[in-house]
Amino acid sequence: AQSVSQHNHHVILSEAASLELGCNYSYGGTVNLFWYVQYPGQHLQLLLKYFSGDPLVKGIKGFEAEFIKSKFSFNLRKPSVQWSDTAEYFCAASYSGAGSYQLTFGKGTKLSVIP
Amino acid sequence: DGGITQSPKYLFRKEGQNVTLSCEQNLNHDAMYWYRQDPGQGLRLIYYSQIVNDFQKGDIAEGYSVSREKKESFPLTVTSAQKNPTAFYLCASSMRMGRLHNEQFFGPGTRLTVL
Repeated sequence: AQSVSQHNHHVILSEAASLELGCNYSYGGTVNLFWYVQYPGQHLQLLLKYFSGDPLVKGIKGFEAEFIKSKFSFNLRKPSVQWSDTAEYFCAASYSGAGSYQLTFGKGTKLSVIP
Repeated sequence: DGGITQSPKYLFRKEGQNVTLSCEQNLNHDAMYWYRQDPGQGLRLIYYSQIVNDFQKGDIAEGYSVSREKKESFPLTVTSAQKNPTAFYLCASSMRMGRLHNEQFFGPGTRLTVL
């Protein structure tokens, strides 16, 4: 079965620190990649997505992610985090297996930003 | 205001009872999904539906059932056969499933507690 791995369960940073959250997927074929964020008490919402083209993808709130096909990775980055970035972050991938392109999610990384 | 609504927000049930969670979308999306979220487990797919009157099992369908009689509605029934039903349940929709247009939008979730 296809899988998505997120390396860190919980990350704690001080405000203004740089952020990089790791994400690896297991499928070698055509893949769509997503990062979702779940702020406390809010809906899961899309941060950014990669379908094709430029491997450096910019999303909302200053986040970006880089698709590195050779490493099967799609790491999320932000140069300077704020307290309001405290949330849980989920990487997800969809594959062409069985023609369905259903999403497979990683287990999530909880980010705590200390003021 | 377009979006996905789920009701109720909190649900309590006694062991041995079936319970139905509501999910409605007014985004005119063809595809709808149910996920279960447990701490540290990410989101796991229960069922999905690509079109009215059709649905498919996801990774953890045992003990659950769904129906898709209308495009905008995709209710989930948690049956007494589900051995560990206490969880946070998320409904999502996408324009369709496939290589493109499969970005998923999420509802606010229903937290089910079995007493």
